[in-house]
Amino acid sequence: KAGVTQTPRYLIKTRGQQVTLSCSPISGHRSVSWYQQTPGQGLQFLFEYFSETQRNKGNFPGRFSGRQFSNSRSEMNVSTLELGDSALYLCASSLVGGGTSDTQYFGPGTRLTVL
Amino acid sequence: AQSVTQLDSQVPVFEEAPVELRCNYSSSVSVYLFWYVQYPNQGLQLLLKYLSGSTLVKGINGFEAEFNKSQTSFHLRKPSVHISDTAEYFCAVRNNNDMRFGAGTRLTVKP
Repeated sequence: KAGVTQTPRYLIKTRGQQVTLSCSPISGHRSVSWYQQTPGQGLQFLFEYFSETQRNKGNFPGRFSGRQFSNSRSEMNVSTLELGDSALYLCASSLVGGGTSDTQYFGPGTRLTVL
Repeated sequence: AQSVTQLDSQVPVFEEAPVELRCNYSSSVSVYLFWYVQYPNQGLQLLLKYLSGSTLVKGINGFEAEFNKSQTSFHLRKPSVHISDTAEYFCAVRNNNDMRFGAGTRLTVKP
């Protein structure tokens, strides 16, 4: 099976712009979670989607949003970019996720740099 | 709310030596425990997980971890490390819909 894919791998934007990141989960996986990874804050949970519905959300401002499509692919959007949004954004997929014992499989991440 | 503490931010060790990466968690309910490894410019890869049953869990690449409920710990061990084990290691805890990661431990294996 193909793993989790994320596009693009690298992205450079300027403050105030918006960005959309894409994640394709492993075939058959219906849960997609997004994380932000920075040297200072480590790995922080952004949100989780399951069957096109946001099931859980971390403590991030409303500028961070996401969605999931019927084929389980997911996108996350960050509007009005700030310098502090520079990070590695990781997507993880699992069969059903939530509070189950499912393993999350991570993609390689999208490295976002905000100038 | 649950939390995860990785007690060492950096662990240097010589090749073929044993290593232990320490992880403590706090939670008022039962949890699932995971160890992930991250190589430079890559995502996280699952090493092993504890769901229930035997407290000694074996994972990939010769790693194993022991769940200790009384000490709320889930330390990762390897009896003999290789240069290729140099990476960042993350301990994670899941309860209900909440997945929390530790700050990570940078393992550096020196020749």
